[in-house]
Amino acid sequence: QQQVKQSPQSLIVQKGGISIINCAYENTAFDYFPWYQQFPGKGPALLIAIRPDVSEKKEGRFTISFNKSAKQFSLHIMDSQPGDSATYFCAAVIGGYQKVTFGTGTKLQVIP
Amino acid sequence: DAEITQSPRHKITETGRQVTLACHQTWNHNNMFWYRQDLGHGLRLIHYSYGVQDTNKGEVSDGYSVSRSNTEDLPLTLESAASSQTSVYFCASSERRGTDTQYFGPGTRLTVL
Repeated sequence: QQQVKQSPQSLIVQKGGISIINCAYENTAFDYFPWYQQFPGKGPALLIAIRPDVSEKKEGRFTISFNKSAKQFSLHIMDSQPGDSATYFCAAVIGGYQKVTFGTGTKLQVIP
Repeated sequence: DAEITQSPRHKITETGRQVTLACHQTWNHNNMFWYRQDLGHGLRLIHYSYGVQDTNKGEVSDGYSVSRSNTEDLPLTLESAASSQTSVYFCASSERRGTDTQYFGPGTRLTVL
């Protein structure tokens, strides 16, 4: 079963625009929500992460918004750049076990 | 620099053959993980280990096995390769449990004909 649902599957954004990727989860035992970025031919790498006790976390152009009551979280990429073109995975972790449940991924293309 | 490596990077094999994918990390991390990545499914956990001699099944473990004889290595074995196991395989490691960052290797693309 898919415990973390991610949308959209693909996204095309113009340079300078805002990219938004959404995720929803079901298991309330999840207590850590990382986002991973993956470039073609490479392994995923941690981009940014949030805990459910905060509603927003910002690191540079990347922001996670978290809605605990709705069990939803999203990644916003401000001023999107062609170098941001990659596949993004949301994920959820039950901290004590360190097992990561990944979403299905969003392929982002930023066009000049 | 510490790193995590996988070998081979590409492998073509035939149905029914046994295949072993290697994963080696030089961080001395306790936790190691194997995932497979398929379009439309994201990354799915195959097996994981929290230390030497410890192995656990993930959500898609059927047809796969692992063993952990030292801290640095977690080889993944496909006992009898099937076409459904054609995928990209990623190994990852982390230092501690909890919310520690997982560091991924570059992946192995396996094709089973």
